Amino acid sequence: GQNIDQPTEMTATEGAIVQINCTYQTSGFNGLFWYQQHAGEAPTFLSYNVLDGLEEKGRFSSFLSRSKGYSYLLLKELQMKDSASYLCAVTDSNYQLIWGAGTKLIIKP
Amino acid sequence: SQTIHQWPATLVQPVGSPLSLECTVEGTSNPNLYWYRQAAGRGLQLLFYSVGIGQISSEVPQNLSASRPQDRQFILSSKKLLLSDSGFYLCAWAQREKDTGELFFGEGSRLTVL
Repeated sequence: GQNIDQPTEMTATEGAIVQINCTYQTSGFNGLFWYQQHAGEAPTFLSYNVLDGLEEKGRFSSFLSRSKGYSYLLLKELQMKDSASYLCAVTDSNYQLIWGAGTKLIIKP
Repeated sequence: SQTIHQWPATLVQPVGSPLSLECTVEGTSNPNLYWYRQAAGRGLQLLFYSVGIGQISSEVPQNLSASRPQDRQFILSSKKLLLSDSGFYLCAWAQREKDTGELFFGEGSRLTVL
């Protein structure tokens, strides 16, 4: 079956760094997405990785290792507005998105 | 630029009543369209997707149905709602020719069935 695992909840301190991990087992792989979802709102796109390595975009970076079926989202200089759920999703061989359950990130002052 | 809208944003319905959620996309043609449901504290569950007018694929057997009467219109319906239908419903679209699978979401519709 297809499976994406990520921690249910994480807590971090304002100004610190946090890494949210995602492991996946899917039928084929055509890319991995990270989305941010604030409570009561729709998910918004953060990053897309299709090749191994690190993609940096401002305070957010996303890493992919296809051989390990592993990705992480790194958030630096955390701000209170970063409190949200972070969803990992993989595009399978049919270009359908398989979603993780999301990681709720709580930022404390 | 492309936009997606869905409505209503919030609704409270009694058990056994009908449902209709609408979604429209502007600024693109021949999009793939999706309906997702997200239960409280849970991940996204794909309900239906469509690759063209009148073409609907159902991912989960249930009392919901979907229709695509026009290229950029996607409708989610039910004849009789169940308590378990409560949740946050999201419409999304993807560019068919951009094969990354990236989804763009509507604002969401929160349904409470009492």
